[in-house]
Amino acid sequence: GENVEQHPSTLSVQEGDSAVIKCTYSDSASNYFPWYKQELGKGPQLIIDIRSNVGEKKDQRIAVTLNKTAKHFSLHITETQPEDSAVYFCAASKGAGNMLTFGGGTRLMVKP
Amino acid sequence: GAVVSQHPSRVICKSGTSVKIECRSLDFQATTMFWYRQFPKKSLMLMATSNEGSKATYEQGVEKDKFLINHASLTLSTLTVTSAHPEDSSFYICSAAEALSGNTIYFGEGSWLTVV
Repeated sequence: GENVEQHPSTLSVQEGDSAVIKCTYSDSASNYFPWYKQELGKGPQLIIDIRSNVGEKKDQRIAVTLNKTAKHFSLHITETQPEDSAVYFCAASKGAGNMLTFGGGTRLMVKP
Repeated sequence: GAVVSQHPSRVICKSGTSVKIECRSLDFQATTMFWYRQFPKKSLMLMATSNEGSKATYEQGVEKDKFLINHASLTLSTLTVTSAHPEDSSFYICSAAEALSGNTIYFGEGSWLTVV
């Protein structure tokens, strides 16, 4: 089955700096890669996703890149703000709507 | 984005009793919903895939007789934890795929279950 590795497990940055979280996946058949933000005690919130026919996608301060050959994808957050502090999960699936395999999560702390 | 609602958000029950958690897609129909369990500071663990009008598909190691899943309509799936024990205490989260957004998966707010 699919295996998703996520690094780092914790990340501390200064407000205004950029944050990068990286994930690798094992199943070359995976073609849908969403990223979720989870605040304490709440359900995951979709922040951005990318499909395998696209190499990069950007939404304001958030961007995701995908390298299908290397089987890895990354989340980039620029101009970080304290409210970006949360746990971020990457995931992979064989097509949107199918079961997601999650990475282990990254706890991002943005220091004011 | 689409809204997935869970109820209750928090529930406390006694050992040996059963508790039902509801998952609703508020503004879209979902033929498939997913149930996850999450332990503190851990990732989400898929328990089962809930299919409207048919039996749920359980992941390996998940007891189907203990975690009953029903998906009777296109907007509602329920998870019933039967004969609950303290070790069933956890954060349970559902998700649903919205077809109009290319089957993007949206999550509910989760339900905290405490078994005493």
